[in-house]
Amino acid sequence: SAVISQKPSRDICQRGTSLTIQCQVDSQVTMMFWYRQQPGQSLTLIATANQGSEATYESGFVIDKFPISRPNLTFSTLTVSNMSPEDSSIYLCSVEPTGMGYNEQFFGPGTRLTVL
Amino acid sequence: AQSVAQPEDQVNVAEGNPLTVKCTYSVSGNPYLFWYVQYPNRGLQFLLKYITGDNLVKGSYGFEAEFNKSQTSFHLKKPSALVSDSALYFCAVTLGAAGNKLTFGGGTRVLVKP
Repeated sequence: SAVISQKPSRDICQRGTSLTIQCQVDSQVTMMFWYRQQPGQSLTLIATANQGSEATYESGFVIDKFPISRPNLTFSTLTVSNMSPEDSSIYLCSVEPTGMGYNEQFFGPGTRLTVL
Repeated sequence: AQSVAQPEDQVNVAEGNPLTVKCTYSVSGNPYLFWYVQYPNRGLQFLLKYITGDNLVKGSYGFEAEFNKSQTSFHLKKPSALVSDSALYFCAVTLGAAGNKLTFGGGTRVLVKP
């Protein structure tokens, strides 16, 4: 298993600004993921962030809007850039500790973002 | 492409009664299936998974799920529901290759009434 923390837990931001969300894991992991959960909806994968390589973005998500850093095996950041009210969501990071791709992912508590 | 369907937005059940949350999937290969639960203002918690082997898998908090390949289903069950089981439940699927993404269903809200 893995214990994951996220900062901030919630924030209220003005449109046009940017917010960087931090994800810290208590062990070294290869695979980290960032998800978005819009109000009342399911989780949608934004990107996969592996240490030492560029993040891989899913259809509909671009690096200019959601830049990701993965400086080491225990930490990642997701930035939500030039925010609009449509970006109001819960953002979650997760890890798959074994790196095998078929085992369960462990999720952080999420960052609840409200854009005014 | 892979997809997951949870046909019920909400399931209401009386405490002590059996609970079933339905999930069907579509993948072009052998699926790896998961159930997660989300309590209010909390992240997702892993309940159970099917990778291979017995079609009936047991997980946390007394939950179990049955993998049915012919019906492409992975329904979540609990013999006797508790009020504390009230939460949002997500089914998810992956094909399992390293780096392969996890695709979630739309979620089912479970309300267990005393």
